[in-house]
Amino acid sequence: NAGVTQTPKFQVLKTGQSMTLQCAQDMNHNSMYWYRQDPGMGLRLIYYSASEGTTDKGEVPNGYNVSRLNKREFSLRLESAAPSQTSVYFCASSEIYRTGDYGYTFGSGTRLTVV
Amino acid sequence: QKEVEQDPGPLSVPEGAIVSLNCTYSNSAFQYFMWYRQYSRKGPELLMYTYSSGNKEDGRFTAQVDKSSKYISLFIRDSQPSDSATYLCAMMTGGGNKLTFGTGTQLKVEL
Repeated sequence: NAGVTQTPKFQVLKTGQSMTLQCAQDMNHNSMYWYRQDPGMGLRLIYYSASEGTTDKGEVPNGYNVSRLNKREFSLRLESAAPSQTSVYFCASSEIYRTGDYGYTFGSGTRLTVV
Repeated sequence: QKEVEQDPGPLSVPEGAIVSLNCTYSNSAFQYFMWYRQYSRKGPELLMYTYSSGNKEDGRFTAQVDKSSKYISLFIRDSQPSDSATYLCAMMTGGGNKLTFGTGTQLKVEL
């Protein structure tokens, strides 16, 4: 099925370890996003890529880096994980169609625990 | 103060009830308004989309936008247990490409 695929689905890290969350979409969307979701905080934008070759900081970028590898793939890297980065991470993609549908398509999420 | 405010609930209603979910916002530049539904341990999925003010109906769901009051609503008629989920409002400015989300309202529809 077409959509956004995130890997891994679950991960436990020790403080100070690094890891990369992978995201790929097959809808030929130009824009991709990384969000984190925490109880009571909603979805907060970490980084986004409006189009291939560009990336920009969102609301909570500290401690993260991103790479827009190609049009399909957008990865999120934690260089030195901290317990405050324990969260559920969602990747999303979007395209502005002529009909004006501005919806995002989300992946199923990565549950990350940092101990 | 957050740009988008949403009561987190939880909201518990009996099957068949009419549900009203609401968000308020402070940024008058928002022009695109969406409602997402998120089941437990799943990603959000787009439920309703509205441009500017007015109403939009899709089956049992009606989205309303009142830009003068900076207030949006989602109504669910004849609610079903399968509607039990977290509902997130989201908004975007004209010409923008980033959504701003509310924190979500948890809804439980009981038999």
